[in-house]
Amino acid sequence: GIQVEQSPPDLILQEGANSTLRCNFSDSVNNLQWFHQNPWGQLINLFYIPSGTKQNGRLSATTVATERYSLLYISSSQTTDSGVYFCAPRSSGGSYIPTFGRGTSLIVHP
Amino acid sequence: EAGVAQSPRYKIIEKRQSVAFWCNPISGHATLYWYQQILGQGPKLLIQFQNNGVVDDSQLPKDRFSAERLKGVDSTLKIQPAKLEDSAVYLCASSSQGEGNTIYFGEGSWLTVV
Repeated sequence: GIQVEQSPPDLILQEGANSTLRCNFSDSVNNLQWFHQNPWGQLINLFYIPSGTKQNGRLSATTVATERYSLLYISSSQTTDSGVYFCAPRSSGGSYIPTFGRGTSLIVHP
Repeated sequence: EAGVAQSPRYKIIEKRQSVAFWCNPISGHATLYWYQQILGQGPKLLIQFQNNGVVDDSQLPKDRFSAERLKGVDSTLKIQPAKLEDSAVYLCASSSQGEGNTIYFGEGSWLTVV
């Protein structure tokens, strides 16, 4: 199945800082989502982005499908951004299972 | 629009006991997923349903885990007998082809096996 690697595994920021999270995947994809898991365990859908760039407030995401990676940008980080960020690509060949990486754990200090 | 509903939210059982989790997906979503998330790891797919048929259950430990989705709506995931290593969060999710298969998750059911 598709392999997913996320980096960095851990990130600590001061409030107001910017950051970039990366997701590399091993196969071509027709679907990719970014999620934020809050401290209570809820997985919140951030972006559906199989290709191109999308923005939602302070967050934006870019997927370059031909080079098999996706980036999540967080600008002017806030303490409420703390949690774990997951990407979940879905391979366009074979099984269509959304596969999760190990995530990036983000802590934003006030 | 109501989200994905799961129950119970928390369960503590002794090893070798049984437990069942229930999931009600978003109305109209044909695809339903059960994921297992162990602390510190990403969610791992256990089983995927399309309506009431199984699409993929290759990672479901079938000697102790079972799942069903009668009538293509609600689903139940059962563990019998439970082992210590089954302690995890069990996440239910659903998706619709009309939204590019965007997945929406419930709040999860936290299981502790002691």
